[in-house]
Amino acid sequence: DSGVTQTPKHLITATGQRVTLRCSPRSGDLSVYWYQQSLDQGLQFLIQYYNGEERAKGNILERFSAQQFPDLHSELNLSSLELGDSALYFCASSLTVEGTGVTETQYFGPGTRLLVL
Amino acid sequence: LAKTTQPISMDSYEGQEVNITCSHNNIATNDYITWYQQFPSQGPRFIIQGYKTKVTNEVASLFIPADRKSSTLSLPRVSLSDTAVYYCLVCDTGGFKTIFGAGTRLFVKA
Repeated sequence: DSGVTQTPKHLITATGQRVTLRCSPRSGDLSVYWYQQSLDQGLQFLIQYYNGEERAKGNILERFSAQQFPDLHSELNLSSLELGDSALYFCASSLTVEGTGVTETQYFGPGTRLLVL
Repeated sequence: LAKTTQPISMDSYEGQEVNITCSHNNIATNDYITWYQQFPSQGPRFIIQGYKTKVTNEVASLFIPADRKSSTLSLPRVSLSDTAVYYCLVCDTGGFKTIFGAGTRLFVKA
């Protein structure tokens, strides 16, 4: 158990719909990362938040958005869903201590499996 | 960001030592090398991390030559349960915009 929780575990929805995935980081971790993994594909970095602010952006579609709340949990919003959005969505967290040279180990949650029909 | 290159797949037998090499020719001075393991339908799990020379923990060793343009993950005496995908990552101290490569799919046979 990594200490990162994600809900829901599974999500089935239809094209054109909108869903929200939720992530709670490990206690004390300030950074949250979101990844997408399609069937038999590698992990695609989507976005990173640090202490409530967007820190880095990867290959995230405009239909997707995320935020990190004051309690540090994060939500990934996926809208106008398409068949190709079906994938495993992982959240990871890490302790980011700026200016100390501490490098970050990311701890991954169990993922949310999204199926768009 | 430094790009990494790993073999797509490797086969081994139980009890053997497995070495997976990762190339990262344009690694930057501040970059660390990290390896993750991923089982099907699970999130990646941290294995080991290093900056230079050799690092060892209870599950693996990481060898990094002086030029740091490559690294080798060594798994001693693998078992069937080590069948997984192994990812090599190179990222800076902020861990920003982490790029996972395609990984190496290790298949351990009895």
